[in-house]
Amino acid sequence: QQQVKQSPQSLIVQKGGISIINCAYENTAFDYFPWYQQFPGKGPALLIAIRPDVSEKKEGRFTISFNKSAKQFSLHIMDSQPGDSATYFCAASGLTGGGNKLTFGTGTQLKVEL
Amino acid sequence: NAGVMQNPRHLVRRRGQEARLRCSPMKGHSHVYWYRQLPEEGLKFMVYLQKENIIDESGMPKERFSAEFPKEGPSILRIQQVVRGDSAAYFCASSLGNQPQHFGDGTRLSIL
Repeated sequence: QQQVKQSPQSLIVQKGGISIINCAYENTAFDYFPWYQQFPGKGPALLIAIRPDVSEKKEGRFTISFNKSAKQFSLHIMDSQPGDSATYFCAASGLTGGGNKLTFGTGTQLKVEL
Repeated sequence: NAGVMQNPRHLVRRRGQEARLRCSPMKGHSHVYWYRQLPEEGLKFMVYLQKENIIDESGMPKERFSAEFPKEGPSILRIQQVVRGDSAAYFCASSLGNQPQHFGDGTRLSIL
């Protein structure tokens, strides 16, 4: 049972544009929602994370928007750059006896074109 | 300040052989997680360990797979009698308590 659904599967954005990736979750016990960035041949790197007590978090060009009632959260990349081209994963975890193991979405391949 | 170190980076095994994947967590981190990533898919949780203890192995296949995190030395993910379907990238992450997880660059396992 897939507990975190991510879309789109791939995304092409022009340099300077806004990249938007969406995720939806099912498990209401989740209370931590990170986004990871992965380049080919590398491990996922933590980009930004949010907890459900806030509806938005911004770090530089990256913003997470969180809608608790809809059980959805999204990543916005402002002023997208070619260096942002990577695969992005949303994830979720909850301290329900299993530590904070992460449940990942299936990933979005972002390509930023000049 | 070294990050999570995994070795080997690439491992080739023939069907029926054993594969041993090693993970050294970040300095001071006592929580280790193993994930598996199949091509074009997200990461799937396998096992969560603290020093000398398996906390959650709900994502581990029931047979052939085992993991340990001894008091001294790296965490080991062991796959016995490997099959073609075990081909994947295996990632280790570490954390300090309930803090964010930091990932290594993975071991790419290929089964001939």
